[in-house]
Amino acid sequence: KNEVEQSPQNLTAQEGEFITINCSYSVGISALHWLQQHPGGGIVSLFMLSSGKKKHGRLIATINIQEKHSSLHITASHPRDSAVYICAVPNYGGSQGNLIFGKGTKLSVKP
Amino acid sequence: DAGITQSPRHKVTETGTPVTLRCHQTENHRYMYWYRQDPGHGLRLIHYSYGVKDTDKGEVSDGYSVSRSKTEDFLLTLESATSSQTSVYFCAIRGDSRYGYTFGSGTRLTVV
Repeated sequence: KNEVEQSPQNLTAQEGEFITINCSYSVGISALHWLQQHPGGGIVSLFMLSSGKKKHGRLIATINIQEKHSSLHITASHPRDSAVYICAVPNYGGSQGNLIFGKGTKLSVKP
Repeated sequence: DAGITQSPRHKVTETGTPVTLRCHQTENHRYMYWYRQDPGHGLRLIHYSYGVKDTDKGEVSDGYSVSRSKTEDFLLTLESATSSQTSVYFCAIRGDSRYGYTFGSGTRLTVV
């Protein structure tokens, strides 16, 4: 079973700061997912990536397959970025297509 | 999100009563999942389905059953609700989109 660790658990930033959230996993994977959950809200998929880097607006996700590590970066952070960010990887050997989730990083961006 | 809806959004029920949560998709995807989300645990798989009438257990399936009689509907039933089942429940579908998975908006269930 894959193990997923995220850091930090909590993160407070000032508006405009560059944010980095890290995710490490124990078993090699085909793709990694980054998800976003606003307070009291649903879960939105941000990225699915298997190599290199992807960018969407101010969000950038990178992955290093050899080191089993991924990062989510937010440039020019804004209070509306305040949310929980969750990393997830496939559960190989377990339920078909199931994901194993990190416990999330709670980001608070102050104006 | 477009393509997947959960109902109800909120429910308060008494211990010992049966409860059914519904997940409906319009995407015709084969795989559907029920997760629960609890503080300190993150999201955990309850049950999943890989086709009509094809379901299997996840890591926290005790006290839950599911049914899938149509591709578009995946039902989660708590036969006799307990306080430990107070949680937020999410349904998800796995498809071919660039994101792979789409999640429902969640059902907040409180068992009193």
